[in-house]
Amino acid sequence: NAGVTQTPKFRVLKTGQSMTLLCAQDMNHEYMYWYRQDPGMGLRLIHYSVGEGTTAKGEVPDGYNVSRLKKQNFLLGLESAAPSQTSVYFCASSYREIGEAEAFFGQGTRLTVV
Amino acid sequence: KQEVTQIPAALSVPEGENLVLNCSFTDSAIYNLQWFRQDPGKGLTSLLLIQSSQREQTSGRLNASLDKSSGRSTLYIAASQPGDSATYLCAVSGGTSYGKLTFGQGTILTVHP
Repeated sequence: NAGVTQTPKFRVLKTGQSMTLLCAQDMNHEYMYWYRQDPGMGLRLIHYSVGEGTTAKGEVPDGYNVSRLKKQNFLLGLESAAPSQTSVYFCASSYREIGEAEAFFGQGTRLTVV
Repeated sequence: KQEVTQIPAALSVPEGENLVLNCSFTDSAIYNLQWFRQDPGKGLTSLLLIQSSQREQTSGRLNASLDKSSGRSTLYIAASQPGDSATYLCAVSGGTSYGKLTFGQGTILTVHP
């Protein structure tokens, strides 16, 4: 079982460039989430989705956009990357609202913005 | 705003020792609490999920307890092994963290042979 798969695993961007991070899950989960993990800050929620076609802002949404056109995919976009967005990004999914059911995380995407 | 604190930040023990990791949270109106394991450069693996109505959960050598009223949870690891070396994270949902998980900073555990 693939579970939650993130693409790419590593990326280096120049300031101002754009990119899209892809999260795919094969567990038919309704709920999907994007977190970023920074030293000393822990994991913080960027955006989340409670079903196909829906998205909502999390704790730190500025500078990011998301889309959930298909139930199995949750895309995170950076329109104009900034050094402050250097981080490790994790996607997660759950059958029910996160916290009500076990959360499954991807392996992470390490992004460096120079 | 919910805040989650984990103590200690780092722990180094010899193989075979029993150990306890601590997690505290400020808003006791949580829905549940999860313990995760994170290996270096890897994602998070869920270890145990404790619903707010439960007091503890067990999985193999792991036992997690929850005391909502005092805002505390502990993760007990019995007979530690070098393979247990990782960062352990606790996260809560519900209350001011409704709809999302709020994570602690983690405890870095090293079990040496």
